[in-house]
Amino acid sequence: EPEVTQTPSHQVTQMGQEVILRCVPISNHLYFYWYRQILGQKVEFLVSFYNNEISEKSEIFDDQFSVERPDGSNFTLKIRSTKLEDSAMYFCASRGRSQYFGPGTRLTVL
Amino acid sequence: AQTVTQSQPEMSVQEAETVTLSCTYDTSESNYYLFWYKQPPSRQMILVIRQEAYKQQNATENRFSVNFQKAAKSFSLKISDSQLGDTAMYFCAFMKHDSNNNDMRFGAGTRLTVKP
Repeated sequence: EPEVTQTPSHQVTQMGQEVILRCVPISNHLYFYWYRQILGQKVEFLVSFYNNEISEKSEIFDDQFSVERPDGSNFTLKIRSTKLEDSAMYFCASRGRSQYFGPGTRLTVL
Repeated sequence: AQTVTQSQPEMSVQEAETVTLSCTYDTSESNYYLFWYKQPPSRQMILVIRQEAYKQQNATENRFSVNFQKAAKSFSLKISDSQLGDTAMYFCAFMKHDSNNNDMRFGAGTRLTVKP
Protein backbone atom coordinates (compact mmCIF):
# COMPACT_ATOMS: atom_id res chain seq x y z
CA GLU A 1 0.00 0.00 0.00
CA PRO A 2 1.46 3.40 -0.94
CA GLU A 3 2.49 5.62 1.95
CA VAL A 4 3.94 9.02 2.69
CA THR A 5 7.58 8.91 3.73
CA GLN A 6 9.63 11.50 5.59
CA THR A 7 13.32 11.99 6.23
CA PRO A 8 15.06 12.30 8.55
CA SER A 9 13.13 10.70 11.37
CA HIS A 10 14.99 12.86 13.89
CA GLN A 11 16.93 16.07 13.32
CA VAL A 12 18.94 17.87 15.97
CA THR A 13 20.13 21.37 15.19
CA GLN A 14 21.55 24.44 16.85
CA MET A 15 19.42 27.54 17.25
CA GLY A 16 19.84 29.83 14.26
CA GLN A 17 20.69 27.04 11.83
CA GLU A 18 18.71 26.19 8.73
CA VAL A 19 16.97 22.83 8.43
CA ILE A 20 15.24 21.12 5.53
CA LEU A 21 12.67 18.44 6.22
CA ARG A 22 11.88 16.12 3.36
CA CYS A 23 8.74 14.29 2.36
CA VAL A 24 7.76 12.00 -0.48
CA PRO A 25 3.98 12.14 -0.87
CA ILE A 26 1.87 9.35 -2.34
CA SER A 27 2.59 9.41 -6.05
CA ASN A 28 -0.84 10.16 -7.54
CA HIS A 29 -1.80 12.77 -4.93
CA LEU A 30 -1.92 16.44 -5.91
CA TYR A 31 -2.38 18.22 -2.58
CA PHE A 32 0.35 18.34 0.03
CA TYR A 33 0.48 19.63 3.58
CA TRP A 34 2.79 20.29 6.50
CA TYR A 35 1.61 20.12 10.10
CA ARG A 36 3.39 20.63 13.38
CA GLN A 37 2.84 19.03 16.77
CA ILE A 38 4.63 20.44 19.79
CA LEU A 39 5.08 17.71 22.38
CA GLY A 40 1.89 17.14 24.34
CA GLN A 41 -0.16 19.48 22.17
CA LYS A 42 -2.50 19.11 19.24
CA VAL A 43 -1.55 18.89 15.61
CA GLU A 44 -1.47 22.34 13.96
CA PHE A 45 -1.76 23.17 10.28
CA LEU A 46 1.19 25.01 8.74
CA VAL A 47 0.72 25.11 4.97
CA SER A 48 -1.00 23.49 2.01
CA PHE A 49 0.48 23.22 -1.47
CA TYR A 50 -1.17 22.58 -4.81
CA ASN A 51 -0.08 23.07 -8.41
CA ASN A 52 3.38 24.18 -7.35
CA GLU A 53 2.23 26.97 -5.10
CA ILE A 54 1.02 27.59 -1.59
CA SER A 55 -2.77 27.45 -1.45
CA GLU A 56 -3.17 28.29 2.22
CA LYS A 57 -0.95 28.96 5.21
CA SER A 58 -1.52 29.51 8.90
CA GLU A 59 -0.28 32.32 11.09
CA ILE A 60 2.47 29.98 12.30
CA PHE A 61 3.94 29.82 8.79
CA ASP A 62 5.88 33.08 8.87
CA ASP A 63 8.80 34.29 6.76
CA GLN A 64 11.25 31.83 8.29
CA PHE A 65 9.33 28.94 6.70
CA SER A 66 9.22 27.98 3.06
CA VAL A 67 8.07 24.99 1.06
CA GLU A 68 9.18 23.63 -2.25
CA ARG A 69 8.54 20.77 -4.60
CA PRO A 70 11.95 20.68 -6.30
CA ASP A 71 11.19 17.65 -8.46
CA GLY A 72 8.28 15.36 -9.20
CA SER A 73 8.52 13.42 -5.96
CA ASN A 74 9.94 15.43 -3.07
CA PHE A 75 8.13 18.05 -1.00
CA THR A 76 10.30 20.01 1.42
CA LEU A 77 9.83 22.30 4.39
CA LYS A 78 12.69 24.70 5.10
CA ILE A 79 13.12 26.59 8.35
CA ARG A 80 15.69 29.31 7.75
CA SER A 81 16.81 30.24 11.23
CA THR A 82 15.55 27.80 13.80
CA LYS A 83 14.34 28.89 17.22
CA LEU A 84 13.98 26.85 20.39
CA GLU A 85 10.21 26.95 20.00
CA ASP A 86 10.45 25.26 16.60
CA SER A 87 11.20 22.00 18.42
CA ALA A 88 8.29 19.76 17.49
CA MET A 89 7.17 16.82 15.40
CA TYR A 90 6.62 17.87 11.80
CA PHE A 91 4.19 15.83 9.73
CA CYS A 92 3.82 15.84 5.99
CA ALA A 93 0.51 14.72 4.49
CA SER A 94 -0.86 14.18 1.03
CA ARG A 95 -4.48 14.00 0.00
CA GLY A 96 -6.47 11.51 -1.98
CA ARG A 97 -9.92 10.71 -0.53
CA SER A 98 -8.43 11.51 2.86
CA GLN A 99 -5.21 13.03 4.13
CA TYR A 100 -2.54 10.46 4.75
CA PHE A 101 0.25 11.38 7.11
CA GLY A 102 3.89 10.47 7.03
CA PRO A 103 5.64 9.12 10.13
CA GLY A 104 6.92 12.57 11.06
CA THR A 105 10.27 14.19 11.66
CA ARG A 106 11.15 15.01 15.22
CA LEU A 107 13.02 18.34 15.20
CA THR A 108 15.03 19.27 18.28
CA VAL A 109 16.51 22.76 18.43
CA LEU A 110 19.24 23.24 21.02
CA ALA B 1 -13.03 29.58 11.34
CA GLN B 2 -13.57 25.97 12.18
CA THR B 3 -12.90 24.70 15.68
CA VAL B 4 -12.84 21.16 16.97
CA THR B 5 -13.38 20.35 20.64
CA GLN B 6 -12.58 17.14 22.44
CA SER B 7 -13.77 17.54 25.99
CA GLN B 8 -12.24 14.34 27.39
CA PRO B 9 -8.46 14.71 27.86
CA GLU B 10 -8.15 11.13 29.14
CA MET B 11 -10.26 8.00 29.19
CA SER B 12 -9.73 4.39 30.12
CA VAL B 13 -11.56 1.19 29.33
CA GLN B 14 -11.22 -2.47 30.20
CA GLU B 15 -10.07 -4.80 27.48
CA ALA B 16 -13.02 -6.18 25.46
CA GLU B 17 -15.34 -3.40 26.64
CA THR B 18 -16.78 -0.55 24.57
CA VAL B 19 -15.75 3.08 24.86
CA THR B 20 -17.02 6.27 23.22
CA LEU B 21 -14.87 9.31 22.58
CA SER B 22 -16.61 12.66 22.13
CA CYS B 23 -15.99 15.37 19.57
CA THR B 24 -17.88 18.53 18.70
CA TYR B 25 -17.08 21.07 16.06
CA ASP B 26 -18.13 24.48 14.94
CA THR B 27 -18.46 25.49 11.30
CA SER B 28 -20.61 27.49 8.93
CA GLU B 29 -19.76 25.13 6.08
CA SER B 30 -22.45 22.78 4.81
CA ASN B 31 -20.16 20.29 3.12
CA TYR B 32 -17.13 18.91 4.89
CA TYR B 33 -15.38 15.79 6.14
CA LEU B 34 -14.72 14.54 9.63
CA PHE B 35 -12.01 12.13 10.69
CA TRP B 36 -10.65 10.26 13.64
CA TYR B 37 -6.91 9.72 13.76
CA LYS B 38 -5.04 7.47 16.16
CA GLN B 39 -1.58 8.44 17.42
CA PRO B 40 0.22 5.61 19.26
CA PRO B 41 3.42 6.23 21.24
CA SER B 42 5.38 6.10 17.97
CA ARG B 43 3.58 9.41 17.22
CA GLN B 44 2.56 8.33 13.73
CA MET B 45 -0.87 9.66 12.70
CA ILE B 46 -3.04 6.77 11.57
CA LEU B 47 -6.41 7.33 9.91
CA VAL B 48 -9.09 5.40 11.78
CA ILE B 49 -12.32 6.47 10.12
CA ARG B 50 -13.77 9.12 7.82
CA GLN B 51 -17.25 10.60 7.47
CA GLU B 52 -18.62 12.78 4.69
CA ALA B 53 -21.04 15.38 6.04
CA TYR B 54 -23.52 14.84 3.20
CA LYS B 55 -23.94 11.18 4.15
CA GLN B 56 -26.51 10.44 6.81
CA GLN B 57 -25.26 6.91 7.36
CA ASN B 58 -22.67 6.60 10.09
CA ALA B 59 -19.29 5.29 8.95
CA THR B 60 -17.98 2.01 10.33
CA GLU B 61 -14.59 0.30 10.08
CA ASN B 62 -14.52 -3.06 11.80
CA ARG B 63 -14.59 -2.34 15.56
CA PHE B 64 -14.72 1.42 15.02
CA SER B 65 -17.92 3.33 14.31
CA VAL B 66 -19.07 6.91 14.57
CA ASN B 67 -22.22 8.66 15.71
CA PHE B 68 -22.49 11.66 13.42
CA GLN B 69 -25.11 14.21 14.43
CA LYS B 70 -24.87 17.01 11.87
CA ALA B 71 -27.43 19.32 13.45
CA ALA B 72 -25.72 19.04 16.81
CA LYS B 73 -22.25 19.20 15.19
CA SER B 74 -21.23 16.14 17.08
CA PHE B 75 -18.98 13.31 15.88
CA SER B 76 -18.24 10.65 18.47
CA LEU B 77 -16.11 7.54 18.00
CA LYS B 78 -17.15 4.19 19.43
CA ILE B 79 -14.57 1.48 19.87
CA SER B 80 -16.06 -1.96 20.45
CA ASP B 81 -14.23 -4.95 21.91
CA SER B 82 -11.32 -2.72 22.97
CA GLN B 83 -7.86 -4.18 22.55
CA LEU B 84 -4.59 -3.33 24.26
CA GLY B 85 -3.29 -2.05 20.92
CA ASP B 86 -6.01 0.60 20.90
CA THR B 87 -4.11 2.47 23.61
CA ALA B 88 -3.19 5.79 21.99
CA MET B 89 -4.08 9.45 21.59
CA TYR B 90 -7.15 9.92 19.44
CA PHE B 91 -7.65 13.13 17.49
CA CYS B 92 -10.87 14.29 15.90
CA ALA B 93 -10.36 16.40 12.77
CA PHE B 94 -12.39 18.57 10.40
CA MET B 95 -11.69 19.31 6.76
CA LYS B 96 -13.66 21.64 4.48
CA HIS B 97 -14.92 20.33 1.16
CA ASP B 98 -13.01 22.92 -0.83
CA SER B 99 -11.02 21.80 -3.81
CA ASN B 100 -7.92 23.84 -3.02
CA ASN B 101 -8.06 24.58 0.66
CA ASN B 102 -8.35 21.39 2.62
CA ASP B 103 -6.21 21.97 5.63
CA MET B 104 -7.27 19.83 8.54
CA ARG B 105 -8.19 21.25 11.94
CA PHE B 106 -7.62 19.01 14.91
CA GLY B 107 -9.04 18.76 18.39
CA ALA B 108 -6.75 18.64 21.40
CA GLY B 109 -6.96 14.86 21.58
CA THR B 110 -8.16 12.21 24.01
CA ARG B 111 -5.65 9.84 25.57
CA LEU B 112 -7.22 6.38 25.70
CA THR B 113 -5.80 3.64 27.87
CA VAL B 114 -7.04 0.09 27.47
CA LYS B 115 -6.50 -1.87 30.66
CA PRO B 116 -5.98 -5.64 30.73
